[in-house]
Amino acid sequence: GAVVSQHPSWVICKSGTSVKIECRSLDFQATTMFWYRQFPKQSLMLMATSNEGSKATYEQGVEKDKFLINHASLTLSTLTVTSAHPEDSSFYICSGGDSSPHEQYFGPGTRLTVT
Amino acid sequence: QKEVEQNSGPLSVPEGAIASLNCTYSDRVSQSFFWYRQYSGKSPELIMSIYSNGDKEDGRFTAQLNKASQYVSLLIRDSQPSDSATYLCAVNYAGGTSYGKLTFGQGTILTVHP
Repeated sequence: GAVVSQHPSWVICKSGTSVKIECRSLDFQATTMFWYRQFPKQSLMLMATSNEGSKATYEQGVEKDKFLINHASLTLSTLTVTSAHPEDSSFYICSGGDSSPHEQYFGPGTRLTVT
Repeated sequence: QKEVEQNSGPLSVPEGAIASLNCTYSDRVSQSFFWYRQYSGKSPELIMSIYSNGDKEDGRFTAQLNKASQYVSLLIRDSQPSDSATYLCAVNYAGGTSYGKLTFGQGTILTVHP
């Protein structure tokens, strides 16, 4: 299967600061990347879909000004959590799809803790 | 509202037994179906994909799809303790703004005991 990396794997930040998470496709070109959030003992919730070179499409209820997504190349997408608050603490996972978007390959995830 | 429902767990089976995981989905337009395995604290790992009616086998795993009944299942033969994880059913809806998106079920926790 295709390989997706994420960095950092975990991060602790103070309330009010911003955090950037990187998602890279290592052995394929990800025309589409997806960002998910997972709270403890819950399933994955899609936050947004990003396509290379265009604006991300956010799911209903996700604040686009708070969760900034950039997909500047076919191998890199970034998620910036701006003005983070404790309720933003979660497991953030990205996934990538190549020319066939049907199969998605997940990165290892980033655990964010906001104190 | 497109929904994906999985049989409530947790599911506990003895080592060597067959584990059966079930999933139903609400949208008849769905085209692609996936099973992911997620270990605690880790991200999901794709273990099976199925696109057409019938069975698809890969090692100890068999996915079954019945589009008429809007039902997809995963069988794990000769279950091992290392199979203990949460299994997520995911459906790819086709068309419009949903193209390429996956909708996940709530997951079924499987425990394989020695």
